[in-house]
Amino acid sequence: NAGVTQTPKFRVLKTGQSMTLLCAQDMNHEYMYWYRQDPGMGLRLIHYSVGEGTTAKGEVPDGYNVSRLKKQNFLLGLESAAPSQTSVYFCASTNRQGGYNEQFFGPGTRLTVL
Amino acid sequence: DAKTTQPNSMESNEEEPVHLPCNHSTISGTDYIHWYRQLPSQGPEYVIHGLTSNVNNRMASLAIAEDRKSSTLILHRATLRDAAVYYCILRDNYGQNFVFGPGTRLSVLP
Repeated sequence: NAGVTQTPKFRVLKTGQSMTLLCAQDMNHEYMYWYRQDPGMGLRLIHYSVGEGTTAKGEVPDGYNVSRLKKQNFLLGLESAAPSQTSVYFCASTNRQGGYNEQFFGPGTRLTVL
Repeated sequence: DAKTTQPNSMESNEEEPVHLPCNHSTISGTDYIHWYRQLPSQGPEYVIHGLTSNVNNRMASLAIAEDRKSSTLILHRATLRDAAVYYCILRDNYGQNFVFGPGTRLSVLP
């Protein structure tokens, strides 16, 4: 049981390039989330999904797109990377909505945009 | 989700208890109190959560004030591995996400 995994672990992009970050979970969770964490800050929600085929915007969605074609995968895309998107990206999942449910986080992807 | 306030940083000696405070004066009746921690270069991990009563698990204890406007995470014997940023988060049954503040950076001295 791997939990939540993220690919890649590190990436360097040039301004204007595109890329996709992959999040995978093997816990059959319904809900998945993408966060970003800037130095010295807490996590901020980018997009989330409440089930296969659904996505919704979080606190900081601009410049990102997401897709949830399979229940176990949640993809985060940057169409035209900007230096302001330099950050550490975390994916998380939880099995259902509810204030008592914990989120399981992946190890993170460190992205640098030059 | 309601807001929480935590000290920016705290220090503890190894093998001593640590009390990490959190204020949440605008908490609503349906808000659960969650604690997560983030070890260096890792994703956050769940520590404990509670609603009204004090809670214990293998990692920590959570003491919740009677009026629920504050709570304290208790690590009974701090180890070097407990050095991390600790986040206190409120979550209701309808919130889709956790709102992470800057948390408390705990340093453990040998």
